[in-house]
Formats: sequence, structure tokens, C-alpha cells
Amino acid sequence: GAGVSQSPSNKVTEKGKDVELRCDPISGHTALYWYRQSLGQGLEFLIYFQGNSAPDKSGLPSDRFSAERTGGSVSTLTIQRTQQEDSAVYLCASSRDRRNTIYFGEGSWLTVV
Amino acid sequence: GESVGLHLPTLSVQEGDNSIINCAYSNSASDYFIWYKQESGKGPQFIIDIRSNMDKRQGQRVTVLLNKTVKHLSLQIAATQPGDSAVYFCAEMPGNQFYFGTGTSLTVIP
Repeated sequence: GAGVSQSPSNKVTEKGKDVELRCDPISGHTALYWYRQSLGQGLEFLIYFQGNSAPDKSGLPSDRFSAERTGGSVSTLTIQRTQQEDSAVYLCASSRDRRNTIYFGEGSWLTVV
Repeated sequence: GESVGLHLPTLSVQEGDNSIINCAYSNSASDYFIWYKQESGKGPQFIIDIRSNMDKRQGQRVTVLLNKTVKHLSLQIAATQPGDSAVYFCAEMPGNQFYFGTGTSLTVIP
């Protein structure tokens, strides 16, 4: 596609529920990133995928967070048993490879009530 | 850990004036830098990048300056317009990962 596409754009969920956030990167981009942005904060790295290599999960804040990337393209970020502190914007980004410019989607705005 | 800082968290400029947004980075090994613009409710948008073998790069109405001696990066916006109002992030890459600052909020006064 022309840009990084994320869905849903907004999600309100009850505490304790699971949520899935989807990212469709730019066609041909082998690198895919997930970041989290809380109100007034910088971007917090969560996870990185590069081609068929094992993902870099070093930024995932707890074992409630997981992500997968199927077929080297679409990625899903799953948050289990959501907590109020999970409320944030979840941004997906992609790049041709790890040492190139990363382009962001519009984000999925998650609110846990 | 890594840190990328911005000297001014907020900046207000008159429409038509030039804007300068500054960024101090911490890692002398960083060799790739990007400026992003983030409007309210939207994702970060790429503005301009620069690699460490350059000290200046120009785009459309924007210029990025890199001073490796003092580890300083700046973004200059010429003839600032109301549509330039946004948060601007600096990012550095010392290895294989980007590190982002919290951003500077630019407000353009009509």
C-alpha cells in the first residue's frame, strides 16, 4: 500500500479484556516496528521484526504483550488482560531495512476503562 | 540508556517567521538522524533525514544542521505557516535502533 495502515484507529476496551491491533506495512518493507506513545511522552520501543529473523522483543513491557508477523507482511500486536496503564497510542512503522528511514502509521488509540 | 533531548519543549513563532528547533543527542556513535512532525491525533510524519557524513541538508522549506562536535541537531523551517504547528521529534540511530526525544511543540501565531 501507499503507507503504513493500522486498525482499529480507536479502541475502547474494558479492563481485563484482550485486544488485537493490526499493522499492514508499506509493500516491500522488510522491517516492521511497534512503538507505544503515552500522552505527552516520547516513543517507547516495543518490538521489531526483520524479514524471517527472530524478532527483537526487548521492549515489550510484560508477558501480557505479544506480537507476530505473518508471511513477512501484516503484523498483529496482542495485549492480554488489559490494564488501565496500557492506555496509549500504539504506533506501527516500517522501513526497507533496519538502517533506513522508518515510516509510521496513524496509530491505534487504545483506551482501557 | 540512550537519550535524545530537546532544548525547548515549546516554541511559538509568528506566521512568516523562521523557526529553529534544537535537539541534543547523547551518543557520539549515532550516524543517522531523522526529524519527524506529529500533528494532533496523527502518527509521526517523516520530514527530513541526515547522515553523519553531512553537516547540512535542505528540503522544501526545511533545513537540518548537524554539529557532531557538540552532538547537536537542528531543524530550521523557513516562512513558518499555521500548518507547521505540531510536535517535532528528533531521532538518532547509534546502532540498529532509533531513539526518540519527547518532542518540541511548535505553535504558529497567525
